Amino acid sequence: DIVMTQTPLSLSVTPGQPASMSCKSSQSLLHSNGRTYLYWYLQKPGQSPQLLIYEVSNRFSGVPDRFRGSGSGTDFTLKISRVEAEDVGVYYCLQSLQFPLTFGGGTNVEIK
Amino acid sequence: EVQLVESGGGSVQPGESLRLSCTASGFTFGSYGMSWVRQAPGKGLEWVSVISESGVITYNTGSVKGRFTISRDTSKSTIFLQMNSLRAEDTALYYCAKAISRGVTAMDAWGKGTTVTVSS
Repeated sequence: DIVMTQTPLSLSVTPGQPASMSCKSSQSLLHSNGRTYLYWYLQKPGQSPQLLIYEVSNRFSGVPDRFRGSGSGTDFTLKISRVEAEDVGVYYCLQSLQFPLTFGGGTNVEIK
Repeated sequence: EVQLVESGGGSVQPGESLRLSCTASGFTFGSYGMSWVRQAPGKGLEWVSVISESGVITYNTGSVKGRFTISRDTSKSTIFLQMNSLRAEDTALYYCAKAISRGVTAMDAWGKGTTVTVSS
């Protein structure tokens, strides 16, 4: 199974300041078709997860442009340019290159 | 608007069975694969099972192989998760989720979940 490792476990951010989190996979998520199957989700408190970023760097419909995904191969980053109060929750990365799909352990973002 | 509504959760004893359902609306159900994802209390997300658009291809994560079976009824826009030989470690909130597109297993829409509790 592909292991997804997220750091840090927790992040405390002042509103308006940037935030960055990392996701590393145990093997490359680059498919032979040239696509990289790495996704980012946010689970707000008491809610279901919501898709933020698909295939490393593409913002899903309705996701604000302050969210930016980047990376390649085994190393990926999600950055929030200016954190807002509504961004609190747990961020998960997911790989869907191969079965079983696997999530990272999550990064908990809170507001200072 | 995509809507996914799970049902069928409950409290059972170890070794018993449950059948979860997820009814979808707001999209062409037969054109998308569907997954079950679970979340144990206070824990992270764990992907459990997937079924392809046609229903021909299914895959389960290792810890549920031989015990859980995913299926779908396109006429009812519903997927199911038959869970047998339940264990305490299967206790979780079970989400139904829709694939982003044909051939892509990752999910772009989730239901609110249904709770399964396995305890003696």
